[in-house]
Amino acid sequence: GAVVSQHPSRVICKSGTSVKIECRSLDFQATTMFWYRQFPKQSLMLMATSNEGSKATYEQGVEKDKFLINHASLTLSTLTVTSAHPEDSSFYICSARGIDKMNTEAFFGQGTRLTVV
Amino acid sequence: QKEVEQDPGPLSVPEGAIVSLNCTYSNSAFQYFMWYRQYSRKGPELLMYTYSSGNKEDGRFTAQVDKSSKYISLFIRDSQPSDSATYLCAMSDTGRRALTFGSGTRLQVQP
Repeated sequence: GAVVSQHPSRVICKSGTSVKIECRSLDFQATTMFWYRQFPKQSLMLMATSNEGSKATYEQGVEKDKFLINHASLTLSTLTVTSAHPEDSSFYICSARGIDKMNTEAFFGQGTRLTVV
Repeated sequence: QKEVEQDPGPLSVPEGAIVSLNCTYSNSAFQYFMWYRQYSRKGPELLMYTYSSGNKEDGRFTAQVDKSSKYISLFIRDSQPSDSATYLCAMSDTGRRALTFGSGTRLQVQP
């Protein structure tokens, strides 16, 4: 299957600082990428949909000023957690879908475990 | 009522058993159905992808979709301890929209 690379896999940061997470589709182009958050033993919760060249669409209850999403190219989307607080500690996962209408599988990155201390 | 319902388990089976995992859904517009396997602290790995109704087989895995009943299944034959993970069903109505996930079923295959 296609490869989605997410970096970093783990990050620890101090409260009040910002953290950037990168999501890259390595062998296919993705006009749409998705960012999820996952709490322990729970399923994935969609945070936002990222479209190349346009503003992200955020799910209800997700603060767009706190979770900045940039989708600068067909292979790269970034999520920046601004002014992080301990309650932002979670597992963040990105996903990408191909632009070919026959290639509609969604592939996931390895996830980023964020710990805010 | 959630859009996608999935028994969270845990489901414990002996090695070699046939495992049946299921999801039901309420949105009749869903057309794309996927099964993911997720190991602890890792991103979900796509196992099976099915468009519309029917069966699909890949090695020890078989995915079934019954759109009339809004019911999908994943069967794992000859289960192995390495199959122990959380299995997530996911679906969407178009090829562009985000997936709607089930809550995941934890599977434990005992050696």
